[in-house]
Amino acid sequence: DAGVIQSPRHEVTEMGQEVTLRCKPISGHNSLFWYRQTMMRGLELLIYFNNNVPIDDSGMPEDRFSAKMPNASFSTLKIQPSEPRDSAVYFCASSGQYSNQPQHFGDGTRLSIL
Amino acid sequence: GIQVEQSPPDLILQEGANSTLRCNFSDSVNNLQWFHQNPWGQLINLFYIPSGTKQNGRLSATTVATERYSLLYISSSQTTDSGVYFCAVEGYGQNFVFGPGTRLSVLP
Repeated sequence: DAGVIQSPRHEVTEMGQEVTLRCKPISGHNSLFWYRQTMMRGLELLIYFNNNVPIDDSGMPEDRFSAKMPNASFSTLKIQPSEPRDSAVYFCASSGQYSNQPQHFGDGTRLSIL
Repeated sequence: GIQVEQSPPDLILQEGANSTLRCNFSDSVNNLQWFHQNPWGQLINLFYIPSGTKQNGRLSATTVATERYSLLYISSSQTTDSGVYFCAVEGYGQNFVFGPGTRLSVLP
């Protein structure tokens, strides 16, 4: 079975540019999560969707960050404009109905903002 | 929000040794999971264990929800067990929170 698929795997861009990260969850999973991992702050939950609806976005750091889930098989995390402090590894994870099911992670997108 | 602590922060073992990793949390939880992040950065779900005991091969985990802790046991460790082990919890009406992790190095 295909796992969670994220793209791109690596992204290097200049400050001020728009960045779009993509995620395809495991088929049949109803919940989708976006996380950010940095050395300083560890793994942080940014936003959580259930049945394509954002349930909790309190972890989204600023208005420069936005996330969408237009259908059950696709989600995007967008940063506009990007800043050097946004450099991190961004993970997408999915699970069955609701959040209290095992979460399965994609391989992450390593983002570097110059 | 809920606080998660993990101990020890770092652990070095000789191949074949056993180890116990601990996760303490500050409030009641309805969700607790253990993950392994390998040296390539991939996060693998090991256990979904809000309470009770589970075993999977050389790994087992126990959560004592009433005392707010969980333990991950690794027996007969192998070099492929190296990486960072995270405990993550979700309290009632709260977000999913990851602990700081335990970095394990298994030497050949």
